[in-house]
Amino acid sequence: EPEVTQTPSHQVTQMGQEVILRCVPISNHLYFYWYRQILGQKVEFLVSFYNNEISEKSEIFDDQFSVERPDGSNFTLKIRSTKLEDSAMYFCASSFSPFDWETQYFGPGTRLTVL
Amino acid sequence: DQQVKQNSPSLSVQEGRISILNCDYTNSMFDYFLWYKKYPAEGPTFLISISSIKDKNEDGRFTVFLNKSAKHLSLHIVPSQPGDSAVYFCAASAGSGGSNYKLTFGKGTLLTVNP
Repeated sequence: EPEVTQTPSHQVTQMGQEVILRCVPISNHLYFYWYRQILGQKVEFLVSFYNNEISEKSEIFDDQFSVERPDGSNFTLKIRSTKLEDSAMYFCASSFSPFDWETQYFGPGTRLTVL
Repeated sequence: DQQVKQNSPSLSVQEGRISILNCDYTNSMFDYFLWYKKYPAEGPTFLISISSIKDKNEDGRFTVFLNKSAKHLSLHIVPSQPGDSAVYFCAASAGSGGSNYKLTFGKGTLLTVNP
C-alpha cells in the first residue's frame, strides 16, 4: 500500500519563526497538495502544485506561505513568520491525475503548534 | 463561510445497526461529492463518492445518497462495525468546466460504533 509520509509529526515553534513542513508524496504521483485543519474546524485546502508551479491556491495561502519541490521526492510547505492562528494540523496529499480525489492519498499530518 | 456543513459533531450507534451521517451544502456549483474517513493520527482516506448526475452510489456496506434539490447528501453504513468508528468528512468539488477544482470539506462527524 503506497503512502504519503510527513515530517515532523509535531512541530512546536515560537511566533514569528519560520517553519518548514516536509512531505514525501507517493513516488509516481505528479500533483501535490497541502491542507490544514485547525482544531475543531474543517479541513481547508491551501494549495495545489504541479510541474513545479502552483496550480491553485486558496485565500488562506498568502505571502507568508510558500511551497517547493526541492528535489525529486520532497514537497515542502514553508511558513515564513508564524502566527498563533497558524496552529493547526497540516496534511500533505498527492495524486497521479489532477484533482483525482478518489486516488488522492493523504499523509498522517504534521501538528504545528505556535506559541 | 461554511459551504459544506455537517451539523452533527458526533453520532453513536450500536454494532449491527445503521449509521446515517448527514451533510448539507450551499454552493449550487458543486457537482462531485465525497466522503472521507479519518482515524486518529492518520490522514483522511477516501471512502465513497457520488457525481451530481446520480442520486445514489453503493459500495459494499456504504451507500451515499444525494438530494440535489435539498442540497443534501447522506452516508449510510449498514451494518455498522466497531472498526467504522472514526471521523467522517463530507467534501465537495465544483470542478466540471471550471477552475475551482479545490475540495471543500465539512467539519466532520465523529462516529462511534459500540459493540
